Amino acid sequence: GENVEQHPSTLSVQEGDSAVIKCTYSDSASNYFPWYKQELGKGPQLIIDIRSNVGEKKDQRIAVTLNKTAKHFSLHITETQPEDSAVYFCAAPMNTGFQKLVFGTGTRLLVSP
Amino acid sequence: EPEVTQTPSHQVTQMGQEVILRCVPISNHLYFYWYRQILGQKVEFLVSFYNNEISEKSEIFDDQFSVERPDGSNFTLKIRSTKLEDSAMYFCASSDPGQGAHEQYFGPGTRLTVT
Repeated sequence: GENVEQHPSTLSVQEGDSAVIKCTYSDSASNYFPWYKQELGKGPQLIIDIRSNVGEKKDQRIAVTLNKTAKHFSLHITETQPEDSAVYFCAAPMNTGFQKLVFGTGTRLLVSP
Repeated sequence: EPEVTQTPSHQVTQMGQEVILRCVPISNHLYFYWYRQILGQKVEFLVSFYNNEISEKSEIFDDQFSVERPDGSNFTLKIRSTKLEDSAMYFCASSDPGQGAHEQYFGPGTRLTVT
């Protein structure tokens, strides 16, 4: 089955710096990679995703890159702001039916003013 | 913007009691899911539901768990006889196959505390 590893577990940056979170996956059949942001006491919020037919996708200050050969994908946040502080989870689907998302262990991002 | 809603936000129950967690998925979505998150840990898949039946379930989703879509809007998770280790946040999610069944949108969660 799919195994998703995520690092770092915590990341502290100064406001305006960039932040990068990396994930690796095990199932080469996986073709969809979402990133979720979870604020304290709330549910995971889908912030960006990428499908395996592209190598990079950008949405304003957020970008995701995918390396299918190495089986890893990364979240890049530029010009970080204090409101970016949250726990970020990567995920990948199990190849059986592509409905079950397997989540990484999460990265707690702290952006200091 | 449409969103998934869940009730209650917090449920406290005694060990051995039955609980029902409720969800209202996004209205045009056809796939529904339950996930759980034990405090400080990652989100874990429990079950997916499509066309009025379970399409996938995890090892966690044993005979104590059941799901139902009792009407056109609600989706419920029932735990028949709760255990201490069922204490967790339970998230409902839904997706629209027209936009790619993978894009799952989560509700705010129900915190279940079993004492």
